[in-house]
Amino acid sequence: SQQGEEDPQALSIQEGENATMNCSYKTSINNLQWYRQNSGRGLVHLILIRSNEREKHSGRLRVTLDTSKKSSSLLITASRAADTASYFCATDAQMSGGSNYKLTFGKGTLLTVNP
Amino acid sequence: GAGVSQSPSNKVTEKGKDVELRCDPISGHTALYWYRQRLGQGLEFLIYFQGNSAPDKSGLPSDRFSAERTGESVSTLTIQRTQQEDSAVYLCASSFLLGTGELFFGEGSRLTVL
Repeated sequence: SQQGEEDPQALSIQEGENATMNCSYKTSINNLQWYRQNSGRGLVHLILIRSNEREKHSGRLRVTLDTSKKSSSLLITASRAADTASYFCATDAQMSGGSNYKLTFGKGTLLTVNP
Repeated sequence: GAGVSQSPSNKVTEKGKDVELRCDPISGHTALYWYRQRLGQGLEFLIYFQGNSAPDKSGLPSDRFSAERTGESVSTLTIQRTQQEDSAVYLCASSFLLGTGELFFGEGSRLTVL
């Protein structure tokens, strides 16, 4: 089953506007990651936030994490047409019987930035 | 190579045939994942290899699916007696894993079962 769920499923904005995507998850995590996928391509890692962090920045990206609500948000500021892509959150989950973890992904948010 | 390499990039096969997909992870990465992505959907976890530990096969959808990895090198995902619902992009990712960390993805193998 999916650990993370993003919303909205789709978001359409104008260039220059900010885009906010949300992710909710079900069980305790060690960290949460955000990935980007251009149509038909592999995923590219954007940012990782640890469970003891509340906010992290990377360029035009800002990620927040609220472990009490089991939710995260990804904010892209001053969006560009090139930001058009699907964005996925990924959370780790401890595998049964061991100390290893696997990443599970949500269904993603399709962001369209109109020029 | 510098990144995760997958082959073939595209595969069209007839229902009932077997297919084999290959993944070359980044050298030194101990963890290797296979995911399936149907059109317009999220990533569905299939299997995970970590070093010499027993793989986590909990995501394999049926016994027609199997995967192997030799040490910390190449992995192959085999689908036997393919069905139309197997049509999807199969993504491989690797990471240098200490706890959890960033995954590096290949470009995927697009499988179409006619």
